[in-house]
Amino acid sequence: DGGITQSPKYLFRKEGQNVTLSCEQNLNHDAMYWYRQDPGQGLRLIYYSQIVNDFQKGDIAEGYSVSREKKESFPLTVTSAQKNPTAFYLCASSIEGVAGIYEQYFGPGTRLTVT
Amino acid sequence: AQTVTQSQPEMSVQEAETVTLSCTYDTSESDYYLFWYKQPPSRQMILVIRQEAYKQQNATENRFSVNFQKAAKSFSLKISDSQLGDAAMYFCAYSGGSNYKLTFGKGTLLTVNP
Repeated sequence: DGGITQSPKYLFRKEGQNVTLSCEQNLNHDAMYWYRQDPGQGLRLIYYSQIVNDFQKGDIAEGYSVSREKKESFPLTVTSAQKNPTAFYLCASSIEGVAGIYEQYFGPGTRLTVT
Repeated sequence: AQTVTQSQPEMSVQEAETVTLSCTYDTSESDYYLFWYKQPPSRQMILVIRQEAYKQQNATENRFSVNFQKAAKSFSLKISDSQLGDAAMYFCAYSGGSNYKLTFGKGTLLTVNP
């Protein structure tokens, strides 16, 4: 089946540790995105990548890093510099569709808890 | 910067009735796209419906339709014949300009009462 996978579903870390969240897609999509979701908030964009080996900061990139070495993969590292890392993280991908619309398709998400 | 506002944090509807969720946005772009996403308790984001700004005709997808008022920058979602499975958080989202980023509203939690 084609889709986006994120692993693990739940992740627990101690404060001060870096942690990497996985995102893999087999949809052959060019663009990939990372969002953060907090209670009572919409989704906020962390980083996005429109092509392999290139990525841009989103609205809340501080304390996060990414890489895009393969088209299928876009891992997100939450560093110890991120002041409030506990959140739900969603990965998405997109491709140009009808009328130039870049519809985004989402993975199931990873719930990160840092104590 | 573009902003998306959903003024109703929570809404409720009786099963089989109709409900309308509100969304307004602010942009200086002339060409853009608007979306409604649904997030059920599983937290999987699901695309419900999309609207191209250059199209005057309102988009429809089965029981879901939108009322797109470009001049007023309003994009409401109407759910007809509400079903228990429609209960979810609904997010309005905007995409425009030269990049492909989505800007989301804060969401409306819809409860469907049997």
